[in-house]
Amino acid sequence: KNQVEQSPQSLIILEGKNCTLQCNYTVSPFSNLRWYKQDTGRGPVSLTIMTFSENTKSNGRYTATLDADTKQSSLHITASQLSDSASYICVVGDTDKLIFGTGTRLQVFP
Amino acid sequence: DGGITQSPKYLFRKEGQNVTLSCEQNLNHDAMYWYRQDPGQGLRLIYYSQIVNDFQKGDIAEGYSVSREKKESFPLTVTSAQKNPTAFYLCASSDRDKYNEQFFGPGTRLTVL
Repeated sequence: KNQVEQSPQSLIILEGKNCTLQCNYTVSPFSNLRWYKQDTGRGPVSLTIMTFSENTKSNGRYTATLDADTKQSSLHITASQLSDSASYICVVGDTDKLIFGTGTRLQVFP
Repeated sequence: DGGITQSPKYLFRKEGQNVTLSCEQNLNHDAMYWYRQDPGQGLRLIYYSQIVNDFQKGDIAEGYSVSREKKESFPLTVTSAQKNPTAFYLCASSDRDKYNEQFFGPGTRLTVL
């Protein structure tokens, strides 16, 4: 069964600290992997999209990595800001649809 | 929100009533999607359309209906047959190849009383 699992479920960090969110997937065939940021009560916004041949991609303070062999991805956030408080959703595409993880809820406190 | 609008933002309906959620995009995208989001679950695909006048069922289409009469618009009707309609509904659009980036609207929170 195609699944996307994220950890941790929730995370609290202090402003200025770094953090890493994890995503494991069992999707086959694999097409691409995306990370989205979703503020409470809003629609998700794309952070990165990676295909099979890419193992890292950055978007400002956000850096995503992909290990297609172990079927793992991570999202690293550097120098966190209060505005980073949101849910981060890992999404894996197979040949004809997207499979969404349940997200990691990140809270950044001053 | 990438040029996609959803209305209304909050919607309350009595049990047994049909309700239609609006989704409009000005990105000139061919493909549009409807997802449902529930607490503790990933987004689930309800319906999608890759071209005007054509649409396909997603994973949880029962109790829902859609139309795609215009490229810009993809309204979703939640019918009385939907057993548990209270949820957050998200519309998205992308270029024809749906592996391209999907842009999401702001969402509609539907509460059925």
